[in-house]
Amino acid sequence: EAGVTQFPSHSVIEKGQTVTLRCDPISGHDNLYWYRRVMGKEIKFLLHFVKESKQDESGMPNNRFLAERTGGTYSTLKVQPAELEDSGVYFCASSQGRGALIDTIYFGEGSWLTVV
Amino acid sequence: GQSLEQPSEVTAVEGAIVQINCTYQTSGFYGLSWYQQHDGGAPTFLSYNALDGLEETGRFSSFLSRSDSYGYLLLQELQMKDSASYFCAVRSGYSTLTFGKGTMLLVSP
Repeated sequence: EAGVTQFPSHSVIEKGQTVTLRCDPISGHDNLYWYRRVMGKEIKFLLHFVKESKQDESGMPNNRFLAERTGGTYSTLKVQPAELEDSGVYFCASSQGRGALIDTIYFGEGSWLTVV
Repeated sequence: GQSLEQPSEVTAVEGAIVQINCTYQTSGFYGLSWYQQHDGGAPTFLSYNALDGLEETGRFSSFLSRSDSYGYLLLQELQMKDSASYFCAVRSGYSTLTFGKGTMLLVSP
């Protein structure tokens, strides 16, 4: 069974450009999460989808970040326009959704974003 | 606010036992998880404690004391491949998994 897959694995863009990160969760997982780790900091929650609905987007840093999950399958995270401080690793994760508080969250390999 | 404290680095030798501690202060608490991460890759789920006590899974065990807001990950019979970063994370709500900054474990021969 395929795990959480993310694309691209690495991206280098200039300040002011746009980048779109994609995440394909494990098949059948209703919950999809985005996390981010910037250099030297802890992994931080960005937002949570339950199927196609945003359950919690309290971690989104500002309105330059837009996440979507049309159809409740894959998700995209768009950064527009990108700033230098957006550099970091963006992790996507998914979980099945049964017994929500104890179901295991599985992470993808991350999308490494460098803004220059 | 939410905060988790864990040591930044721990070193040990092959075959030894190591304990990585985690203390937390969060506005909600449903359980403490541990994740392993190699070379910045995908954090891999190791264990989850919702209740006080010790959970054992092979060479790894995890402990939780909710009254002390404290937990630890115990790794036994250390192997070189155990060298990685280990994160404690609190499930503080339906959505939120709050991570510590991670402990880098270095296992030497």
